[in-house]
This record gives sequence, structure tokens and C-alpha cells, in this order.
Amino acid sequence: TQLLEQSPQFLSIQEGENLTVYCNSSSVFSSLQWYRQEPGEGPVLLVTVVTGGEVKKLKRLTFQFGDARKDSSLHITAAQPGDTGLYLCARGDAGNMLTFGGGTRLMVKP
Amino acid sequence: GAVVSQHPSWVICKSGTSVKIECRSLDFQATTMFWYRQFPKQSLMLMATSNEGSKATYEQGVEKDKFLINHASLTLSTLTVTSAHPEDSSFYICSATTYTEAFFGQGTRLTVV
Repeated sequence: TQLLEQSPQFLSIQEGENLTVYCNSSSVFSSLQWYRQEPGEGPVLLVTVVTGGEVKKLKRLTFQFGDARKDSSLHITAAQPGDTGLYLCARGDAGNMLTFGGGTRLMVKP
Repeated sequence: GAVVSQHPSWVICKSGTSVKIECRSLDFQATTMFWYRQFPKQSLMLMATSNEGSKATYEQGVEKDKFLINHASLTLSTLTVTSAHPEDSSFYICSATTYTEAFFGQGTRLTVV
């Protein structure tokens, strides 16, 4: 059972569309990270959110941490084929261990 | 940024043989490294926590005698898949963390034939 629920699991959209990916938990987390993974490679960190209500922007990507620190979202504006990949949210646990959500596989068609 | 190097990137082996995967932190010392397994189109599942100079901590359901982990130095952890079977075929990824970020190796695709 995943401690972090990600939705949707799979998303296929056309270039230029917007999308939002969600990461939810029944418990509070002290911090949450979003990673992007391309096929055959390891995940790469996109952002870390720590404060409830925090919003961070990374070019066309907007990350939000819920006020109660139980949920987070990733919004991509005007998606491009280069955004295709597996997006993973992860919470930090004791001993620097990460627990990952189930992942959202995004495909952006040209 | 910090770099974690994993080797080999891919390996094909025969059933019954053993395969060793190396994970190195290239520019920082990592007292703890993590080994993950990833099946196609799925997320990462933690297998074990590798602790420098001590025994690894395995997640429930992971056979410690099958997946041998050695963390002999602050920059190197190895995962040995012993007596490999086709069901061990998977993508294995290691990571090492600093205080603020986890860095991942490139992953190793293991195919057991």
C-alpha cells in the first residue's frame, strides 16, 4: 500500500495543454519532494516544499504544498514533448529515507 | 551538484549466476545509501538501506540472502543479486542523500535469461 497516493497514474495530452498532478497522504509530512524520471535513468529532483501553503515555480512548472501539509500538486503550463516522463512525489522519513508515491506517467504528444 | 554513479547501466546474465551492481557517490561522502527496485511503468520500491560499516536494513519481503549489500566505504555501496532468476529482472536504482536532497544513480537494468 502506497503511503502517498498520486493521481492520475497516466496522462496523455497534446503539446500546449495544461495539466495538474496530485499527491495526497492521510498523514502530515514535514517536507515533500517532486522528482522527474526519464526512461532508463534515475529520478532527478525538481523541487522540495516544506511550508504549508508554499508555492514554488520552476519555469512552466508550479508546485504547491497544501496548507495542512498532507497534499501537494504539480501544475504544468503549456506542456511540451520534453516534459514527457514519470513524475514522482516523495516524502522524507527518518534516516533520510524517501517514500515514493505511485508515480504519474506523462506523455505529451507533439 | 552531487553525483551518484551506478555501474553497470545494463547487464544480462544467465539464471543461477550472481550479478554485482556498484553505486558510488563521486563528490560527497554518504554514510547511508538506498537501493530501490522499479518494475516497468511503476514507481520505486525501497529494497534496503545500506549503512557504511554495518549491516544493511532490509524492507519487509526483501530476501537479505538473495540481495547482498555491502557498504565498505563512505563512497561505495554494492548490491549483489545472488543466484539470479528471471523474476529478478528489473531496474535497480541506488541513491545517496545529503541533508537537503537525494541523488540517484543512473540505474541498472538487469535481465536474467
